[in-house]
Amino acid sequence: EVQVVESGGGLVQPGGSLRLSCAASGFTFSTAWMRWVRQAPGKGLECVANINQDGSEEWYLDSVKGRFTISRDNAKNSLFLQMNSLRAEDTAVYYCVGGGWFAYWGQGALVTVSS
Amino acid sequence: DVVMTQSPLSLPVTLGQSASISCRSTQSLVDTAGNTKLHWFQQRPGQSPRRLIYKVSNRDSGVPDRFSGSGSGTDFTLKISRVEAEDVGDYYCMQDRYWPHTFGRGTKLEIK
Repeated sequence: EVQVVESGGGLVQPGGSLRLSCAASGFTFSTAWMRWVRQAPGKGLECVANINQDGSEEWYLDSVKGRFTISRDNAKNSLFLQMNSLRAEDTAVYYCVGGGWFAYWGQGALVTVSS
Repeated sequence: DVVMTQSPLSLPVTLGQSASISCRSTQSLVDTAGNTKLHWFQQRPGQSPRRLIYKVSNRDSGVPDRFSGSGSGTDFTLKISRVEAEDVGDYYCMQDRYWPHTFGRGTKLEIK
C-alpha cells in the first residue's frame, strides 16, 4: 500500500522559516520524480517545486525561487521543503506528490504565515 | 507559462446523468517521445486530490469505468457517465509537459 505522509506544517510569522518533511512508502521512491504542490485556502492547485530521481535537478515556481529549497534522501524515502522568508501569500496546504505523472498524494500539511 | 482553461467552472448534474469537462491548453502537450502529458484529478470535499486519468485517457486503478478521458494536442475532455453522489467535488486538469507544471482552475461538480 502506498503511503505519503507530510509533517512540519504550522504557524509562522512573515519572514520566518519552516521545513516540511514527507515520508513515502509503497513505491520505488528512488526512481520517482517528487514534487510539492500547494493549495491556498479555497483556491486551486499550484506546483511549487520538483526534484528528479537523484536530486541533481530542481525546479521552482518563480514566486518561490531563492526562498524555497527542495531536497530528498533516497536512503530514507524522504522528501523535504525548506521554506525561508515566508510571506502571507505562501499560506496553503502543501502536498507531497510522487510517482509517475503525479500518481501519489499525501494528506497535506497546513502552513499559515501570519503575525 | 502554459495556461490550462477549464470549462465549465461549475457543473450541476442530475444523478444518473452524464457530465463533461473541457480543458484547453495554450500549447501542445505532446512531448518528444510522443506522450501527451495531460492528467485529470478529483478532489472530494475535505480530501487530498486523487489522480483519475493519466496521459489523456489512462484510467487509474480503482477508478470506475464511468470516468473516461479523451482529446489530443491542446483540447481535452473528461467525461463522467451516470453521475453518482460520490462524484461530488472539484476536478482539475494538469499539464506536466512544461515547467511550471500548471493546473486548470478546477470544475466544481455538484448534484442538482
